[in-house]
Order: sequence, then structure tokens, then C-alpha cells
Amino acid sequence: AQSVTQLGSHVSVSEGALVLLRCNYSSSVPPYLFWYVQYPNQGLQLLLKYTSAATLVKGINGFEAEFKKSETSFHLTKPSAHMSDAAEYFCAVSPYGGATNKLIFGTGTLLAVQP
Amino acid sequence: GAGVSQTPSNKVTEKGKYVELRCDPISGHTALYWYRQSLGQGPEFLIYFQGTGAADDSGLPNDRFFAVRPEGSVSTLKIQRTERGDSAVYLCASSLTGGNEKLFFGSGTQLSVL
Repeated sequence: AQSVTQLGSHVSVSEGALVLLRCNYSSSVPPYLFWYVQYPNQGLQLLLKYTSAATLVKGINGFEAEFKKSETSFHLTKPSAHMSDAAEYFCAVSPYGGATNKLIFGTGTLLAVQP
Repeated sequence: GAGVSQTPSNKVTEKGKYVELRCDPISGHTALYWYRQSLGQGPEFLIYFQGTGAADDSGLPNDRFFAVRPEGSVSTLKIQRTERGDSAVYLCASSLTGGNEKLFFGSGTQLSVL
């Protein structure tokens, strides 16, 4: 069965520091992987997605993620955190490849950015 | 509309009551999804519509939950005989067609069952 595990329910970084949010996946088929962000009082927004093309995926707001099959990981990074990055981040996997947007989400990581 | 709209934004009900949650997807989007997000958890898939038909309802937890999309646009999630465990944020999302195109989420309906 497909699943994702997000390590660290809360991550705190200083403004300007590297952001690293961890996601490991389990999938019996080649996975489609996603990162979503949820700002306070807003709906989930797609940050980026991996669909078996390039292993390094660039998303919005300076975020990127690298698909590493050997490590079954899809960690999210940003070189320099901004106060506006404070939000909850969800990793997700699609169990049907590109067939639908039926997604399995992780439990989320709440990112705090300290001034 | 400009985005996915969900009404009401908050719904408080008593155990055993019936509730309806409404979703207005982005105009022209044929695919519509319902997810449920419990406190401290990620969203959990409930049901997927392609047009008017439910293409996948495998996430509905039991027969108290039902959803419709009669004209292929607005969808209503219906919960009968509500239980305290149904308390959660119910999220609706839409995409232009099926497949893994960009999914647009609404802000959700916070359901509280007392």
C-alpha cells in the first residue's frame, strides 16, 4: 500500500536559514509525489509535483524537492527562509500514477520562521 | 468563480442530526474531490466525481456519508445521524479534467458535532 511519512511535525528555522522538510514514501508502483502548503485560514495550494520526469523538481516561492528512489525520499528544501513561509506543509503520494488526484497525504509539518 | 467555494465555513450540529456541506468548484472543472481533515492529520480522501458520476467513493467511511453532483458542477456532501467522530474540516477540491492536473482546494467547512 502507498503511504508517506513526514518526519517532524514541527520545524522551526531562523529567517534566512535553510528549510528542510522531510518526506519518505512507500509505493508499490512508480510514485507521483506532491508537496502542498496550507497557510492559515486558506485552502491547500500545490507547491510542486514529481511525475517521473526530472528528479529535481522546482516549485513556487523558491521551493524545490528531489526524488531519490534509493532512499524513497522526496524532501522539500528552500535555501533561505522567509517569514511568509510559515505554514503547514503536506507531502502526498498518488497511488494511481497520473490517473487521478486521489492522494494519500502525510500528517503534515508545521514550519515556524523566527525573526 | 475565482476559486473553489465551500459553504458554510463553519457548521455546529448536535449528535444524530443531518448536515449538508456545499462545494462550488471552479467553473468548467469536471473533476471534483472531497477530503476530510481531522485535527493533527493530513487530508483523507472521501470521494471523486468526474462530471455527474462518482468515479471513486472508496473513501466514504460508512453509509451515513453520501455525496451528489447532479449537474456536474456544485456538489453536496451529506452526513446522516452525525456522530462526534465526524467532527473535522471537510475539504473540496477541483481540477480541470481527470488525471493529476493541478488540484485547487477550497478553504473547507469546519464541522463540529456536539
